[in-house]
Amino acid sequence: QKEVEQDPGPLSVPEGAIVSLNCTYSNSAFQYFMWYRQYSRKGPELLMYTYSSGNKEDGRFTAQVDKSSKYISLFIRDSQPSDSATYLCAPGFQKLVFGTGTRLLVSP
Amino acid sequence: DVKVTQSSRYLVKRTGEKVFLECVQDMDHENMFWYRQDPGLGLRLIYFSYDVKMKEKGDIPEGYSVSREKKERFSLILESASTNQTSMYLCASSVSGAPTGYTFGSGTRLTVV
Repeated sequence: QKEVEQDPGPLSVPEGAIVSLNCTYSNSAFQYFMWYRQYSRKGPELLMYTYSSGNKEDGRFTAQVDKSSKYISLFIRDSQPSDSATYLCAPGFQKLVFGTGTRLLVSP
Repeated sequence: DVKVTQSSRYLVKRTGEKVFLECVQDMDHENMFWYRQDPGLGLRLIYFSYDVKMKEKGDIPEGYSVSREKKERFSLILESASTNQTSMYLCASSVSGAPTGYTFGSGTRLTVV
């Protein structure tokens, strides 16, 4: 079993849709949970992170962690074509463990 | 603008060649990492370093070595390149002891022929 599991997609949605991206993890010791966005032929960039369970909002993005079920979510409201990218979850602290990423396609 | 710079964007090398991939960061970060990224396999950690002259093996170190002689520079070495090392290589750095995540370089697309 992989330490972090993430559906590779692609996930195709129309512009304006609410997007839900999810990961599960196995290590209950994880306390920090990062989300990265990676555009084609670029390095990943940090979108946001949360600590422990709960929600964190940043503009159109909301990160949610449920430690009891070891489930991580990223919600994107009013999705835009510019959100088309691969999204990687990464729990950890000094050393992050990356999911394989979910490819998101937002069509105009 | 702080950044992680990887020396080459695209690289083509022959089987058996010794290959050097260079990474430099200007953020005074203690931690540096080398990953390779392949379709369907995601990011896999090759080596990392928490301090100058320190290195630790990641999940897939075979066929690779690293060097960190200065804090800002972390080099990945392919001792004898093979075709199965064709991949996207990503360097990252981070602050020690703070949950600020990694800053990645733009990557080096290495093709071994």
